[in-house]
Amino acid sequence: NAGVTQTPKFQVLKTGQSMTLQCAQDMNHNSMYWYRQDPGMGLRLIYYSASEGTTDKGEVPNGYNVSRLNKREFSLRLESAAPSQTSVYFCASSEDSWFNSPLHFGNGTRLTVT
Amino acid sequence: QKEVEQNSGPLSVPEGAIASLNCTYSDRVSQSFFWYRQYSGKSPELIMSIYSNGDKEDGRFTAQLNKASQYVSLLIRDSQPSDSATYLCAVVTGNQFYFGTGTSLTVIP
Repeated sequence: NAGVTQTPKFQVLKTGQSMTLQCAQDMNHNSMYWYRQDPGMGLRLIYYSASEGTTDKGEVPNGYNVSRLNKREFSLRLESAAPSQTSVYFCASSEDSWFNSPLHFGNGTRLTVT
Repeated sequence: QKEVEQNSGPLSVPEGAIASLNCTYSDRVSQSFFWYRQYSGKSPELIMSIYSNGDKEDGRFTAQLNKASQYVSLLIRDSQPSDSATYLCAVVTGNQFYFGTGTSLTVIP
């Protein structure tokens, strides 16, 4: 049982380049999330998808777009990368978006924008 | 802005001692509370969840919740060097998770 799988694990981009971070879960969860983690800032929500077909902005959505491709997959796109987007990105899923469903995290993508 | 506050540490305890990690939150209507452990360079993993006032025990871990004081804590008994990690407090309000910045714990052999 793989849980939440993220690709790639590492990525280096130049300012202005674009890329898509991929995330897939095999736990039949309804809700999926993208977080970024920066030193001293904790985990901050970028976008989430409460259920297939829906997406909503989180705390720090600027510069990002998402697609909930199907129930399993939720991708995050950086259209024009900026150095401020250097971070560790985590995808997570939960059974649903009700308050008692814990998040299960993928292994993360370490992104550096030069 | 929902706030979740944790002492960043570092917290150092000797092997076999009790480690006490604390978290306060600002929103009185917060409903669920989780503790995650994160090893350096790894992703957060769920340790405990607690939803009602009081204590909840799971092995060497005990979570304590006091909604009136807006306070949640994690006790680790018989601390082991393998417990050395950053511990993240997560508070759920509505359908949103809010994370503290984490407390770094070092267990000294």
